[in-house]
This record gives sequence, structure tokens and C-alpha cells, in this order.
Amino acid sequence: DAGVIQSPRHEVTEMGQEVTLRCKPISGHDYLFWYRQTMMRGLELLIYFNNNVPIDDSGMPEDRFSAKMPNASFSTLKIQPSEPRDSAVYFCASSRGQGAETQYFGPGTRLLVL
Amino acid sequence: AQKITQTQPGMFVQEKEAVTLDCTYDTSDQSYGLFWYKQPSSGEMIFLIYQGSYDEQNATEGRYSLNFQKARKSANLVISASQLGDSAMYFCAMREGIGLTGGGNKLTFGTGTQLKVEL
Repeated sequence: DAGVIQSPRHEVTEMGQEVTLRCKPISGHDYLFWYRQTMMRGLELLIYFNNNVPIDDSGMPEDRFSAKMPNASFSTLKIQPSEPRDSAVYFCASSRGQGAETQYFGPGTRLLVL
Repeated sequence: AQKITQTQPGMFVQEKEAVTLDCTYDTSDQSYGLFWYKQPSSGEMIFLIYQGSYDEQNATEGRYSLNFQKARKSANLVISASQLGDSAMYFCAMREGIGLTGGGNKLTFGTGTQLKVEL
């Protein structure tokens, strides 16, 4: 079975540009999570969806960040406008249900904002 | 207070030896789960092992085992017969509120332990 798919794997952009990260969860998983990993803050949850509905976006850093899940097989995380401090690795993860179910991570998108 | 504490920023172990990576946690929930993930230099996050708070047996998965001491709130990862490919960053994580309506979804991660396996 295919795992979580993320694109692009690497993104280099200039400050002020819009960045869109994409994620395809594992088929049949009804929870989708976006994480950000930086040296300073480690791994932090940004937002998660259940059945395409955003449940908790308290980790989204500010209004420049937005996430959508238009259907069960696709989600986007958008940063507009991007800033150098947004440089990080962004992970998407999915799980089949809540609680004890394991979250499976995608390969991540390494974002560099110049 | 930190919910997940990993006190060893870096560890070295010789090939074929066993190594223990420490993890302590802080929660007032009765139902929670503890996870370990491996992150090699290539960057992906790989799930290794899971322990539920009500599980009576320590979890094992191949060369990985979890030394779960509930009273001490510790969930140490033991890797037996270390291999060069085990060199990676290891993260302990916790989900709280498992079994509660709307709960048990957020994973809180520790800061990680960088393990280096030497010949």
C-alpha cells in the first residue's frame, strides 16, 4: 500500500511568495495531521482534520497559514506571504481513527524561504 | 512542564550491543498512549512501537522493546543488537485522552535523542 504522499519534497522560495504544500493521506484513513519541524521548536502539530473537517487549528502560527481538505484524499497547507522564519520541514500524517491508532508520516516537505 | 522529556540529546553504542533511550512523560490522564518514532538522516518519520497505558505487557516489535514503568511515568525504548542502520534521531511521543470523545488525537513529541551506532 502507498504511504502518505507529500509534494513537493523540497521548496525554495523568496520572502513574500505564496507556498502551497500538498498531501495525500493513506486510503481509508480519516484523520489527517500537519506538523512542522524546526531545530528551535522541534515537532509541533499545526492542524488536524477528521473526515475532511478541521478539528483543531490551535497550532497554526498565524493568519498567513491556512489549510484545507477538500476531499478524503487531498489536503493543502498554504503560507501566504511566506517569511524566512517559516523555513522548516513540514510533515503530513494520517491515521485510521483516533486514540491508539498510529499516525503514519509522509516524507516531509523541506521548505526554505530566502 | 514538559509533557515528554528525553534527557539524552546524544547517545553512542557499539554495533551488536543493546541501548536504552530514555523517555519520561507527564500526564494526569488515565488513558494514554506512548509511541516511538525513528528519524534517519533522510528525514522521514518511521513508527517503531506503541504502548497503551492499560497494556499489562511491555510492547515488543522485533529488536525494539518498550520498558514501560507506569508508576515512574517512563517509557524507555530498548534496541537490542544495534546495527549501523539504527543510527538516527529517536522521538518519544504521547497521545492523551484516548477513549474520550474527541480525545486522543494530538501527538506531543519529545526533543529527541540522536543515536550513533559505531563499529
